[in-house]
Amino acid sequence: DTEVTQTPKHLVMGMTNKKSLKCEQHMGHRAMYWYKQKAKKPPELMFVYSYEKLSINESVPSRFSPECPNSSLLNLHLHALQPEDSALYLCASSQEGQSGNTIYFGEGSWLTVV
Amino acid sequence: GQNIDQPTEMTATEGAIVQINCTYQTSGFNGLFWYQQHAGEAPTFLSYNVLDGLEEKGRFSSFLSRSKGYSYLLLKELQMKDSASYLCAVSNAGGTSYGKLTFGQGTILTVHP
Repeated sequence: DTEVTQTPKHLVMGMTNKKSLKCEQHMGHRAMYWYKQKAKKPPELMFVYSYEKLSINESVPSRFSPECPNSSLLNLHLHALQPEDSALYLCASSQEGQSGNTIYFGEGSWLTVV
Repeated sequence: GQNIDQPTEMTATEGAIVQINCTYQTSGFNGLFWYQQHAGEAPTFLSYNVLDGLEEKGRFSSFLSRSKGYSYLLLKELQMKDSASYLCAVSNAGGTSYGKLTFGQGTILTVHP
């Protein structure tokens, strides 16, 4: 069972809305991630937080804004999204942000932009 | 940059053995992961190889050859529930690739009765 919890599981939002995706883990992991996955495609990295600091931003548009309030929580704030942003958004965590640590995924948030 | 290749689709029969291959080219390497993803669900961790050789975990085994940039996932005694997408992912070492996992396109495995 995954110990990375994401809410909401499904979200439908208009292009002018502001919404947030939330993620929580209680495994004591110090690195947290946001991935985006389109249908029949592999997950693509968006952001990496390590020890609550943003360490990687994969040139993600500013309409996606990550936030890490503490080591257990990770948010993704959404504003002025486009229909092509509709996808499965996966939160993940690992013991540290060092490469080689297993990354564990949450069940994802299905986002539809209308 | 990175290039990770795996077959798009494979089919097999229940009870059989199937091998899913993955080749990679990367500027930095610190391990290779295999994940299983059922349709509409999140990826789940199967295995991790950082040294050459075979890692066995129940019905699943994974092999790595770093010199050849090659890995495979071996699934034995296939069950219908093994029908899923299998993702090969490479972990980068150091620099700006800190904490980065790059996935191949995934292999959709269909197990028939």
